[in-house]
Amino acid sequence: ETGVTQTPRHLVMGMTNKKSLKCEQHLGHNAMYWYKQSAKKPLELMFVYNFKEQTENNSVPSRFSPECPNSSHLFLHLHTLQPEDSALYLCASSQHGDFGTDTQYFGPGTRLTVL
Amino acid sequence: AQSVAQPEDQVNVAEGNPLTVKCTYSVSGNPYLFWYVQYPNRGLQFLLKYITGDNLVKGSYGFEAEFNKSQTSFHLKKPSALVSDSALYFCAVRDREDDYKLSFGAGTTVTVRA
Repeated sequence: ETGVTQTPRHLVMGMTNKKSLKCEQHLGHNAMYWYKQSAKKPLELMFVYNFKEQTENNSVPSRFSPECPNSSHLFLHLHTLQPEDSALYLCASSQHGDFGTDTQYFGPGTRLTVL
Repeated sequence: AQSVAQPEDQVNVAEGNPLTVKCTYSVSGNPYLFWYVQYPNRGLQFLLKYITGDNLVKGSYGFEAEFNKSQTSFHLKKPSALVSDSALYFCAVRDREDDYKLSFGAGTTVTVRA
């Protein structure tokens, strides 16, 4: 449970605000991921970083901006969000980003509410 | 393209009874298959995975899953459910031809009544 941490756990923001979500992994992994989880829907992959390089941007709107300064930290910068962006945002990590057998380990998520 | 279907939104069982959560998948090649569990206000926890070899995979908390290639299924099972197994369960697949993406099902809510 403590292998991947996320802060804050809850965030309420207006549509004109700018905020950032933080993820840190203590597992020595090289790949990190952002997912969006909405009720009754499959998890949506947003971004993938492998050895600090972005390898996947799954058609995510530009109001979401990821940053990966090193293999242990991942940020998601938010600006001018819409109410439909309200969801649980999950961070995950895995040993590698391109090994199909690798297990992804998830953080507890940030519950985001956009007013 | 790869996809996962969890045909049941909800499964209800009595404590002590067998629990089955269904999952079917679609991939162009051979699959890697995963099960995760999510408790309220928590992230996803890894339960088990199938990579190759024995079709019956054993995982955490007494769960197991059986890979059935002909039926393209990977159902999760537990012989005797506990109230504490009540949670949201996700099946996921990765196509061996598309290493990055892990595709998830929509989830099945399991309720185990005492």
